[in-house]
Amino acid sequence: SAVISQKPSRDICQRGTSLTIQCQVDSQVTMMFWYRQQPGQSLTLIATANQGSEATYESGFVIDKFPISRPNLTFSTLTVSNMSPEDSSIYLCSAGGTMNTEAFFGQGTRLTVV
Amino acid sequence: EDQVTQSPEALRLQEGESSSLNCSYTVSGLRGLFWYRQDPGKGPEFLFTLYSAGEEKEKERLKATLTKKESFLHITAPKPEDSATYLCAVHPNTGGFKTIFGAGTRLFVKA
Repeated sequence: SAVISQKPSRDICQRGTSLTIQCQVDSQVTMMFWYRQQPGQSLTLIATANQGSEATYESGFVIDKFPISRPNLTFSTLTVSNMSPEDSSIYLCSAGGTMNTEAFFGQGTRLTVV
Repeated sequence: EDQVTQSPEALRLQEGESSSLNCSYTVSGLRGLFWYRQDPGKGPEFLFTLYSAGEEKEKERLKATLTKKESFLHITAPKPEDSATYLCAVHPNTGGFKTIFGAGTRLFVKA
C-alpha cells in the first residue's frame, strides 16, 4: 500500500490566479495520476505524471492550463492556471492503479474559484 | 467507448436492511474491476479487486461479485458507519493504465 499526502486540503482563489497542489507519496512509485471530481460526478483523469518525462494529458486537458511536475519518484505537483469559476472542483492525486492493481489516493484538494 | 454505469445514484437503508449496489460496464476487454469507498472530504479507499467472471470477494459486511457485464456490491446488515459513496472502476484492456470510474452510489444508513 501507499500513503499519499496532498496539500492544500482546500483553498478559495480569485479568478485569473493560479494554484499549485502538492502530492507526496511515502514510497517510490512509477506512475502518479491527477484526477478531477466535480460534485456528484465521476472521477475524471486529467493526466498521468511520469518521472523523467512530460506528463500525458487526457482529451480535454492541456499542459498550459494544468502544468504538472514530477521531479522524483515520490512527488508531483499539479498547477491550475488562470483559474475561472468553472475550475471549482476537487482535485485528487493518485498512485498505483497500474498492472491491474488498486490505486491509492490523497485526501483531495477542494478548490473554489470566486 | 469504455463506460461504467452505477445504480442507484443514491440508496437509503435502515440499519440491518441488506441491499445491493450495481456496476454495469462496457469495455473492450476487462483487466480488472475495482470497488472503492469514499467518505466526504476524503479520497477513495480501496475495497476489492475482481478479475474474472464468477469471482467473489468479501470483507466484513461487504461482498463483491462479478459477471461478464456487471458487478454487484452486496451489503449485509449495514450499519450507519457504512454510509459513504461507493465507486466502481475498471481497467480496460486497451493498453496504457487508464482507470475508468463510475459516478458512484451514495449510501445512507439510518440507525
